Amino acid sequence: GAGVSQSPSNKVTEKGKDVELRCDPISGHTALYWYRQRLGQGLEFLIYFQGNSAPDKSGLPSDRFSAERTGESVSTLTIQRTQQEDSAVYLCASSLAGGRETQYFGPGTRLLVL
Amino acid sequence: DQQVKQNSPSLSVQEGRISILNCDYTNSMFDYFLWYKKYPAEGPTFLISISSIKDKNEDGRFTVFLNKSAKHLSLHIVPSQPGDSAVYFCAAPSGGSEKLVFGKGTKLTVNP
Repeated sequence: GAGVSQSPSNKVTEKGKDVELRCDPISGHTALYWYRQRLGQGLEFLIYFQGNSAPDKSGLPSDRFSAERTGESVSTLTIQRTQQEDSAVYLCASSLAGGRETQYFGPGTRLLVL
Repeated sequence: DQQVKQNSPSLSVQEGRISILNCDYTNSMFDYFLWYKKYPAEGPTFLISISSIKDKNEDGRFTVFLNKSAKHLSLHIVPSQPGDSAVYFCAAPSGGSEKLVFGKGTKLTVNP
């Protein structure tokens, strides 16, 4: 079956512009995570969705970052007024039911803010 | 403050030899650990895990050892193969959402 897909694979934008990143999780997976990886760093948690529960937004670095998820499918991560320090690879992962279930990652969106 | 630390950014080994990748953690509440492998331009893929009730877990060529008193774990790959060349991340689930806390990764190069 299909894995986690993300689009676009690469995005170059100018400082101050808004960007929207998309994640299509594995069908049937109720849990969805967003992480980012800045150059030379490990992955940092951003936000977690599980079914109809309130999302865990504790990793969002500022109020310029927001994310939505439609039911148990597509999620979009929006970054408003992008800054150069937002440049990173943004990775989405899904798991069957959250908790200790294995997280399956997409290929990521490489964002470059000029 | 990094809760999961991988202090070696890179490791180079010869094909057929053992690769040992190390990971230290500071949070004594962590009770489950995972290793992920990442190739360039791909997302990380799950490799092996270990619960704190064990001190060893083996899956084929991959073995993870956990030393709780030292807050240290290691991934052994034997024999190493060129296809094992990748970045390896140590991670632990944290908080109610079990979000993963990652180390910075170790880039393994296996030379033919």
